[in-house]
Amino acid sequence: SQQGEEDPQALSIQEGENATMNCSYKTSINNLQWYRQNSGRGLVHLILIRSNEREKHSGRLRVTLDTSKKSSSLLITASRAADTASYFCATAEVPALNFGKGTSLLVTP
Amino acid sequence: DAGVIQSPRHEVTEMGQEVTLRCKPISGHDYLFWYRQTMMRGLELLIYFNNNVPIDDSGMPEDRFSAKMPNASFSTLKIQPSEPRDSAVYFCASSLRSSGGANTQYFGPGTRLTVL
Repeated sequence: SQQGEEDPQALSIQEGENATMNCSYKTSINNLQWYRQNSGRGLVHLILIRSNEREKHSGRLRVTLDTSKKSSSLLITASRAADTASYFCATAEVPALNFGKGTSLLVTP
Repeated sequence: DAGVIQSPRHEVTEMGQEVTLRCKPISGHDYLFWYRQTMMRGLELLIYFNNNVPIDDSGMPEDRFSAKMPNASFSTLKIQPSEPRDSAVYFCASSLRSSGGANTQYFGPGTRLTVL
């Protein structure tokens, strides 16, 4: 069953702008992960945040986690056309993951 | 490492035919997952294995679907007989359970199945 739910479903921005995607979930988690999927490809792991962490950075990515609100956000700073993809949050009921339906991000030059 | 390998990449078949999808996980990984992705339902977990043993197959839609993992380097997902509503992209993923309880999954490129 899908637990994570991303918002918005679609996002269109220009290169250089920041993109923010949100994820809400329903039950307790061990960790939350974000994945990217380019068109016609498999999912690629971006970043993992554990339930006892509040914020994590990786390059141009910043993830926050609020377990009291059961929500997470993914921020991509200074976006590039190559960031165009679908982004999924996945809540971990270790070892399985529950994926949301994703946010489709379009970055235009 | 070559990553997770899936074959075929594309499969077109007619309703009623048997379809077999194949997956080679990353060497050393002890978990293998099969997912199905459609526009309507998103990414659904079908079944997963740990050390070649099926652990949870509650996501398998019906008896027409079966999965096996005869050894650590090979798994199959079979649909018999196939139906048009089985048309989807099927992904295989593998992971290595870490001591911290986190698991990053590595996905294959997927098999796009079309059942006419």
